[in-house]
Amino acid sequence: EPEVTQTPSHQVTQMGQEVILRCVPISNHLYFYWYRQILGQKVEFLVSFYNNEISEKSEIFDDQFSVERPDGSNFTLKIRSTKLEDSAMYFCASSTNRGRGYNEQFFGPGTRLTVL
Amino acid sequence: AQKVTQAQTEISVVEKEDVTLDCVYETRDTTYYLFWYKQPPSGELVFLIRRNSFDEQNEISGRYSWNFQKSTSSFNFTITASQVVDSAVYFCALSRSQGGSEKLVFGKGMKLTVNP
Repeated sequence: EPEVTQTPSHQVTQMGQEVILRCVPISNHLYFYWYRQILGQKVEFLVSFYNNEISEKSEIFDDQFSVERPDGSNFTLKIRSTKLEDSAMYFCASSTNRGRGYNEQFFGPGTRLTVL
Repeated sequence: AQKVTQAQTEISVVEKEDVTLDCVYETRDTTYYLFWYKQPPSGELVFLIRRNSFDEQNEISGRYSWNFQKSTSSFNFTITASQVVDSAVYFCALSRSQGGSEKLVFGKGMKLTVNP
């Protein structure tokens, strides 16, 4: 069964460093998402992406964050200069299409980011 | 604005007890979807169920059942005869439908511990 994959599973970085979290969505999916979960807290929406552009972003998704689909398979989240409060689990999700009822978002296993 | 409230933060039960997880939501949309996700200690998000706002039929799947009541904006989840493997954090979530962002809005989660 197709699944969303994420690498790495755990990333440790120093404050101020740039990190890139990688996701490979399910191959025929067109809509991509990043969510964040600070330890012990709820899962929060960061950004949605379609047709090579951001379709919606939350207040959390400030200028330090960017997303990209550099090729036909990867979907990346970049944090330019990490802060301690960026430490969280980051989930990637993808879905087939929208606008005709709901299409389920399939979640990856997550990348745990630790900022020291 | 959309909001999901899970008033219970943590519940501990003994195996074979029944347990109900409460979820109350707020939305101005007439069409929307409700979800339950399970997050075991390993951290991944496991999809359990999706209901649309026009389908108030209760659903049963094995030991799991869901009670959707539009009149009270609630979507409660019951585990019958709980087992140790049910120990996890459970999230209720809400999404818009048709023409809007498909982002999921999660509740804060409820940690269920099932003791042998």
